[in-house]
Amino acid sequence: NAGVMQNPRHLVRRRGQEARLRCSPMKGHSHVYWYRQLPEEGLKFMVYLQKENIIDESGMPKERFSAEFPKEGPSILRIQQVVRGDSAAYFCASSPGDGDQPQHFGDGTRLSIL
Amino acid sequence: GQQVMQIPQYQHVQEGEDFTTYCNSSTTLSNIQWYKQRPGGHPVFLIQLVKSGEVKKQKRLTFQFGEAKKNSSLHITATQTTDVGTYFCAPQRTNSGYALNFGKGTSLLVTP
Repeated sequence: NAGVMQNPRHLVRRRGQEARLRCSPMKGHSHVYWYRQLPEEGLKFMVYLQKENIIDESGMPKERFSAEFPKEGPSILRIQQVVRGDSAAYFCASSPGDGDQPQHFGDGTRLSIL
Repeated sequence: GQQVMQIPQYQHVQEGEDFTTYCNSSTTLSNIQWYKQRPGGHPVFLIQLVKSGEVKKQKRLTFQFGEAKKNSSLHITATQTTDVGTYFCAPQRTNSGYALNFGKGTSLLVTP
């Protein structure tokens, strides 16, 4: 059973470029969460999505950041016009459905901004 | 949100010593999950606590949820080098969705 797949594992961008991070949830999971982790910090919730719907984006910056989870294909976290402060590890997690269930995390994407 | 404070931030023990990390909230929590993250790795689910006063054990790990559901702890007996990593407590939101509000974690270093 494949786990949560994230790609790329490492991404380097120059300031002003766009970053696209992809996440394929575990098979059978329809709920996807994105978290950001700065060095020596805990994970900060960004956005929660179900297929074709954004359920909660209260943790996502209002500008430059967007997320989607289309009917077909992976969930995408998109960061436009990246700045140095966007450098972080971005983790995706999935769960099978509503309720208090464990979340399964991918290996993350380490984003570095030059 | 349901923010939590974790202490200590760092802990360095000799192999064989015990270790405890504490998680405290100013508000009542519906549940709390614990995760472990190895250096360079991703969070891995350990346990979920739901009931007031709940105690769960996994081999050398003991998890507790306080009677008032405002605090939780993880205790490791006789640490091993494989226990190295950062341990996070994470209550689950209940107002919308089920996202996790991670604490800052306790980083455990175990030396042989």
